[in-house]
Parts: sequence; structure tokens; C-alpha cells
Amino acid sequence: GENVEQHPSTLSVQEGDSAVIKCTYSDSASNYFPWYKQELGKRPQLIIDIRSNVGEKKDQRIAVTLNKTAKHFSLHITETQPEDSAVYFCAASMSGGFQKLVFGTGTRLLVSP
Amino acid sequence: GAVVSQHPSRVICKSGTSVKIECRSLDFQATTMFWYRQFPKKSLMLMATSNEGSKATYEQGVEKDKFLINHASLTLSTLTVTSAHPEDSSFYICSARDRRGGSYNEQFFGPGTRLTVL
Repeated sequence: GENVEQHPSTLSVQEGDSAVIKCTYSDSASNYFPWYKQELGKRPQLIIDIRSNVGEKKDQRIAVTLNKTAKHFSLHITETQPEDSAVYFCAASMSGGFQKLVFGTGTRLLVSP
Repeated sequence: GAVVSQHPSRVICKSGTSVKIECRSLDFQATTMFWYRQFPKKSLMLMATSNEGSKATYEQGVEKDKFLINHASLTLSTLTVTSAHPEDSSFYICSARDRRGGSYNEQFFGPGTRLTVL
């Protein structure tokens, strides 16, 4: 089955800096890669996603890149703000079947003012 | 659009009792719903996939007789934790896929239910 690894587990940056979180996946059949932001005790919120037919996607300060050959994808947050502090999860799934999501282990991002 | 609700948001129960958690898609129909469990500072672990009108599919290591899932309609799935014990205390989150999604994989998450078993 699919296995998703995520690094780093914690990331501390100063306000205004960029933050990068990386994930690797094992199953080359995976074709959908969402990123979620989760605040303490809350539901995961989709912040950006990418499909395997696209190499990069950007939404304001957030971007995701995908390298299908290497089977890794990354989340980039520019001009970080204290409200970006949260736990971020990557995930992977494939079309067909139930399209289950397999989650990474999470990255705790702390943005200091 | 694409709102998923869960009820209750918090529940405290005594060891040995059963607890039912409801997951509803409020503005779309979901043929498939998913149940996750999340321990403190850990990732979401898929417990089972719930399909309307058929038996749930459980992930390896999840006891189907302990975690009963019923997907009675296109907008409602329930998870019943039977004979709960303190080790079942966790944050339970459901998600749903819009039946019109086709190959579009996005899942919409409920707000979660925090279960505490005394």
C-alpha cells in the first residue's frame, strides 16, 4: 500500500521568512496530493492540492510542487505570518477504488513575530 | 457548499458503554465516507471506509466488531464504539466525498468528535 513520509516534523521560522515542507510517496499510481492545515482540536482544512498532470500550483502565498519521477511533493509558504502557525499534513491518493487518502506524519510550523 | 457535520463534538462516557458518533454531509450526497482516528500530536489514521448501502471496509488492525459503521443514507454515516475502554479515547474525524466527484478526489472533513472514556 501507499506510504507517505513527511519532513521536517517541526519547523520554526521568523515572520516574513519562507517555509518548506517535503513529502515523499511510495506508490507511483497515486495521482492526487492535497495539503491540509490543522489547528489544535479542529478539522483539517484543505489549503492547496495538486494532481499528477501538473508540476506546480500556486495560490497567493502558498505553492505546491510535484516531482512524479522522484515521487515527492513540497509545500512552500512565503512571507509567513504568525497565523500560519499550525500542523500541516500532506496526503496522497489514487483514482479508482475508494480513493483513500494516506496522510503524512505532519509538520508543526511555528512562526514567531 | 460541501459542509460536513459531526455530532456530538465531545463525549465523555464510562468504560464499558457504547458511544455513537454521527457524520452528515449537509449540502451534498456522499456515497463514500471515511472515518479517521487521531491521537494527540499524531497524524490521521484511516479506520474504515463507509459506503452507502453496503458493508464498511476496515483497515488492517481495526476491529470491525468494536467500531461499528453504518452508512444508512447518502448523507449520514454513523460510527459506534462498542464497550468503550480508556484506550479508545481519541479524536474521531469523518470525511465525505461528493458522489458527483468522479475522479476528483477531494474529501470534506467534519469538525471531529473528542471521545473520553473514563
